[in-house]
Amino acid sequence: ETGVTQTPRHLVMGMTNKKSLKCEQHLGHNAMYWYKQSAKKPLELMFVYNFKEQTENNSVPSRFSPECPNSSHLFLHLHTLQPEDSALYLCASSQKKQMDTRSAFFGQGTRLTVV
Amino acid sequence: AQKITQTQPGMFVQEKEAVTLDCTYDTSDPSYGLFWYKQPSSGEMIFLIYQGSYDQQNATEGRYSLNFQKARKSANLVISASQLGDSAMYFCAMREFSSGGGADGLTFGKGTHLIIQP
Repeated sequence: ETGVTQTPRHLVMGMTNKKSLKCEQHLGHNAMYWYKQSAKKPLELMFVYNFKEQTENNSVPSRFSPECPNSSHLFLHLHTLQPEDSALYLCASSQKKQMDTRSAFFGQGTRLTVV
Repeated sequence: AQKITQTQPGMFVQEKEAVTLDCTYDTSDPSYGLFWYKQPSSGEMIFLIYQGSYDQQNATEGRYSLNFQKARKSANLVISASQLGDSAMYFCAMREFSSGGGADGLTFGKGTHLIIQP
């Protein structure tokens, strides 16, 4: 257990569905992240939130919509996805810009399949 | 250009042997951190070890050590006395601390698939 919890662990959705991924951390961290891990590609940073404010959007299509209502929760709202969006979506959290930060702590991921 | 390069897509190692996983990085930021993560087949990313760019000594965490060669921009992970449970994907990552722009998260390499054989 890393202290970062993601739900659901697995999700299958149709291209016309709307679903949301949830991430929760109670580590007292101020920064939260969404990463996408596709087969045979490096992990890709999607979004960064610092103190609930979005500070990074890595050219992510608008069919992915993040939401950070407070520093402990992060959502990724999904709508009209494509089959190529099937991937493992990882949430992470960390202290903001600490030189001695040990790490971003990752959740177990949501394995998303778009059919 | 890739910021993190892991040149070994896969490795087979005999149990109890030491293994070195290669990682080179590219940055002009003088302040950065290097990380290694382990990802078993279950999917979670498990933090292993961290090296700061200003750290004088190589980081060690139990059986894991980081061979940090700053001039060569390399940060190889060394696992001593490998175990069957070490079989997993291993990712090298970097975080640049003082850059005004760019991603605020971690930049990952493509990973190395390590298989420990009995």
